[in-house]
Amino acid sequence: DAGVTQSPTHLIKTRGQQVTLRCSPKSGHDTVSWYQQALGQGPQFIFQYYEEEERQRGNFPDRFSGHQFPNYSSELNVNALLLGDSALYLCASSLARLAGVGTGELFFGEGSRLTVL
Amino acid sequence: AQSVTQPDIHITVSEGASLELRCNYSYGATPYLFWYVQSPGQGLQLLLKYFSGDTLVQGIKGFEAEFKRSQSSFNLRKPSVHWSDAAEYFCAVGPRGGYNKLIFGAGTRLAVHP
Repeated sequence: DAGVTQSPTHLIKTRGQQVTLRCSPKSGHDTVSWYQQALGQGPQFIFQYYEEEERQRGNFPDRFSGHQFPNYSSELNVNALLLGDSALYLCASSLARLAGVGTGELFFGEGSRLTVL
Repeated sequence: AQSVTQPDIHITVSEGASLELRCNYSYGATPYLFWYVQSPGQGLQLLLKYFSGDTLVQGIKGFEAEFKRSQSSFNLRKPSVHWSDAAEYFCAVGPRGGYNKLIFGAGTRLAVHP
């Protein structure tokens, strides 16, 4: 049973460019959340997708956008990259009906490390 | 404001010694509480979680945590540390009813001496 998979694992971009990161949730999961983890910090919530809609959003600018596909996979897009966007981007998946009653678990992928030069 | 504080940035213990990692939170209501571990180059793995009921929760790898409502704390403990426990540990809180908008602390990096 594959867990959460993310691609690419590493990438380098320059300021002003755009990037797309991809996530496949754990088999059977229907909800995908994205987190940004800057060096030496804890993860920060970006947004969550369920039923192909953004359900929750953290304190991130509109340069950060996402999408969820019918197969539950998801993309994170960041436009007009800034140096401060350099971070590890983590995708996490869960099953909504279990999470809502306090069971189940949030599973994290290994992340995509973005470096902006 | 909602926040999680992990007062210890780095902790070093000897193998076989006991361990306690501290976590304090500020939240409007009693949240869901979590401890995650992150090894270098890896994602986050759930150690344990507290939703309700018994305030002492058992997790994987021999870890346990105790929820103290009066102190807004959720400290992680292990009676005997193994070298493989060296990693970064994150405490997190989230709203009841789902895994939405988890708020993480800055983490505690654990080093284990042989």
